Amino acid sequence: GENVEQHPSTLSVQEGDSAVIKCTYSDSASNYFPWYKQELGKRPQLIIDIRSNVGEKKDQRIAVTLNKTAKHFSLHITETQPEDSAVYFCAASNPNDYKLSFGAGTTVTVRA
Amino acid sequence: DTEVTQTPKHLVMGMTNKKSLKCEQHMGHRAMYWYKQKAKKPPELMFVYSYEKLSINESVPSRFSPECPNSSLLNLHLHALQPEDSALYLCASSQAGLAGNTGELFFGEGSRLTVL
Repeated sequence: GENVEQHPSTLSVQEGDSAVIKCTYSDSASNYFPWYKQELGKRPQLIIDIRSNVGEKKDQRIAVTLNKTAKHFSLHITETQPEDSAVYFCAASNPNDYKLSFGAGTTVTVRA
Repeated sequence: DTEVTQTPKHLVMGMTNKKSLKCEQHMGHRAMYWYKQKAKKPPELMFVYSYEKLSINESVPSRFSPECPNSSLLNLHLHALQPEDSALYLCASSQAGLAGNTGELFFGEGSRLTVL
């Protein structure tokens, strides 16, 4: 089955700086890579996703890059704000099953 | 309506109780999921229903019993739970059909379960 590894497990950044979270996956058939943000006590919410026919996708201050050859994808948050503080999960799935394999999560703290 | 609604939001039960968690969506999604989540850990898949049929059971103990009465509703029946079952139980839905996963999971707010 799919195995997703996520690094780092914790990340502390100064407000206004950038944050980068990296994930690797093992199943070359995986073709959908979402990123979820989960604030304390809340549900995971999709913030951005990318499919394997695309190398990069941006949405305002967040961007995701995908390297299919190396089987890794990354989340970039620019101009971080205190409200970006949360746990971020990467995930991967392939079209042959319903399982979304999650990374272990990264706790991001933005220092004011 | 892009919401997945879960009830109750909080539940405290003893080890001999029987209770149920409920989930509802009106987005026309034909795949519905139960996940279990411990604090600061990723969601763990428990069950998947596709077109009201159970398609995945991730070796979940029989004290958890899922039910999908129709395409909009998903229940999780709880009986004889253990304290280690205390967690956030998340329901989710997606547009996935029998051809496989088509993308985004929509999560409900979750039911926070405490087993005494």
